[in-house]
Amino acid sequence: DGGITQSPKYLFRKEGQNVTLSCEQNLNHDAMYWYRQDPGQGLRLIYYSHIVNDFQKGDIAEGYSVSREKKESFPLTVTSAQKNPTAFYLCASSMGLQGPVSGNTIYFGEGSWLTVV
Amino acid sequence: AQSVTQLDSHVSVSEGTPVLLRCNYSSSYSPSLFWYVQHPNKGLQLLLKYTSAATLVKGINGFEAEFKKSETSFHLTKPSAHMSDAAEYFCVVGGQAGTALIFGKGTTLSVSS
Repeated sequence: DGGITQSPKYLFRKEGQNVTLSCEQNLNHDAMYWYRQDPGQGLRLIYYSHIVNDFQKGDIAEGYSVSREKKESFPLTVTSAQKNPTAFYLCASSMGLQGPVSGNTIYFGEGSWLTVV
Repeated sequence: AQSVTQLDSHVSVSEGTPVLLRCNYSSSYSPSLFWYVQHPNKGLQLLLKYTSAATLVKGINGFEAEFKKSETSFHLTKPSAHMSDAAEYFCVVGGQAGTALIFGKGTTLSVSS
């Protein structure tokens, strides 16, 4: 089945540790995204990429890093510089980036919970 | 610049009664608009989308939304709520060209029996 796979579902991070969240899609989508979700705050964009080897910072990129070496993969690293990383992280993809009337539907993975211990 | 405001953070209805989730948007263009639903600890699923075709958009699970340009609104409705509709709902607007979607803060729908 086509879709977006995020792993792991649950991850625990110790203080000062970097952790990486995996995101793989087999939808042949060009654009991929990482969102962070905190209760009552909706989704906030961390990073996005519209093509291999290129990505852009979103609204809350500080303390995070990404890579886009393959079209189907867009891993997110939560670095020790991210002081409040506990959140639900959602990976998504679409045929292309958004435009005012593009109507490109974004498809989401099932999410990953990251907790600092 | 585009923005979206969901007017209610929480809506409670009884099973079998109508559902209304309100969304206003701001856009410099004729926008793309979406409604997504999220069940607990899950990803988001597309309910419906508007892309400058018919102003009344029908989606999955009996939901529909009407685009009203004069009111800059895109409210989500359903004639009769079901227990399985209890979830978080997000109104979303297409952003600037070459960027990502802009999400509202969400409305939690509770359905009581």
